Amino acid sequence: AQKITQTQPGMFVQEKEAVTLDCTYDTSDPSYGLFWYKQPSSGEMIFLIYQGSYDQQNATEGRYSLNFQKARKSANLVISASQLGDSAMYFCAMRELSTGFQKLVFGTGTRLLVSP
Amino acid sequence: GAVVSQHPSRVICKSGTSVKIECRSLDFQATTMFWYRQFPKQSLMLMATSNEGSKATYEQGVEKDKFLINHASLTLSTLTVTSAHPEDSSFYICSASTGQSNYGYTFGSGTRLTVV
Repeated sequence: AQKITQTQPGMFVQEKEAVTLDCTYDTSDPSYGLFWYKQPSSGEMIFLIYQGSYDQQNATEGRYSLNFQKARKSANLVISASQLGDSAMYFCAMRELSTGFQKLVFGTGTRLLVSP
Repeated sequence: GAVVSQHPSRVICKSGTSVKIECRSLDFQATTMFWYRQFPKQSLMLMATSNEGSKATYEQGVEKDKFLINHASLTLSTLTVTSAHPEDSSFYICSASTGQSNYGYTFGSGTRLTVV
């Protein structure tokens, strides 16, 4: 079963606008962490933001915020004031903490294109 | 801090030869390294998890005799693609568990392997 689902293969946004990238997850582990990474065309994985399952508040990092809806098992990434440099692939990932395994499971990604 | 250096960034090799990819943690001790494979426009698929001084744990469907992983020290993990074939052409990227920033993960910059 797919643990991380990103239903938007591609998204377009105009510069300076906000955009939401969707991510839903599936786990029975009560303790987990959710990550968002940006992958530009060069290939490196750039960490953006993290949300723990027990965190009371939605995570924010600069222009990035995570809309965490635990009951819906969704962890959408919101990018405010989009910039041309935001054009990249974006991956949602999850780590289940109770199992003791540290591996990250990634979604299929969303390609974001920011237009002038 | 928490930098992982991955080399080479690009490599072209002939079918039948072996290629070694190195991931080195520069300023921390990486007890656990993860090796991912990424096909064009697809997600990162975990190949194996390596712990220093012990055998790697491979994901289902990954040929352990073809993708040899060695984690002989706390700062170096290697992935050797043996008897490479064109279908092994892919983007390989490592990640280290740090227990530090980025909520515990740092990625190498990736290696683009082309087998001709």
